[in-house]
Amino acid sequence: DIVLTQSPLSLPVTPGEPASISCRSNVSLLHSNGYSFLDWYLQKPGQSPQLLIYLGSNRASWVPDRFSGSGSGTEFTLKISRVEAEDVGVYYCMQSLETPLFGGGTRVEIK
Amino acid sequence: QVQLVQSVSELKRPGASVKISCKASGYTFTYYSINWVRQAPGQGLEWLGWINTDTGNPTYAQDFAGRFVFSLNTSVSTTFLEINSLKTEDTAFYYCTRQSIRTFDYWGQGTLLTVSS
Repeated sequence: DIVLTQSPLSLPVTPGEPASISCRSNVSLLHSNGYSFLDWYLQKPGQSPQLLIYLGSNRASWVPDRFSGSGSGTEFTLKISRVEAEDVGVYYCMQSLETPLFGGGTRVEIK
Repeated sequence: QVQLVQSVSELKRPGASVKISCKASGYTFTYYSINWVRQAPGQGLEWLGWINTDTGNPTYAQDFAGRFVFSLNTSVSTTFLEINSLKTEDTAFYYCTRQSIRTFDYWGQGTLLTVSS
């Protein structure tokens, strides 16, 4: 079974500073088509999750370019170049190479 | 614009059944499958399964086969999640989400189900 491990569990951030979240899989998420089936979602307080990044590094159309996704295989990273107050919430990675599975989440809060 | 609008919150007794709806608009309903995800209070996201909106064929996550039933009414672009023999541990937010390739690109607002005696 695939296991996704996110770190850190909690991330206090200062507005204007960068932030980074890691998602590690015990199994390579690289499909034979060359894409890694790893997405990133943000759940803001009191809201539904929203798609940020799909296939490892592709930003959804509504996502600001301060968000970026990178990685391949078993190690993935979500980066925020300059955190804004509206970025607070819980960030989840999700693999869909096999039956969909979410990571445990990383709570981002303002210091 | 794409929207998924879910039914309102529900309060049910243990052993009862509930049927949650998810109405899609802004796109061709049968072109995209609908997945269901739940979130227990203070917990993470858990995938329940999906339904092919073209064929009506459901697929359930291993832990949710049996009491959970997905269905469709294509004429009104609506997907349903029915949960039978409710347990207190079914208390959660339930989300429907549209699947594009293997990504969940649009989400409903969530339906809070509370199961309590």
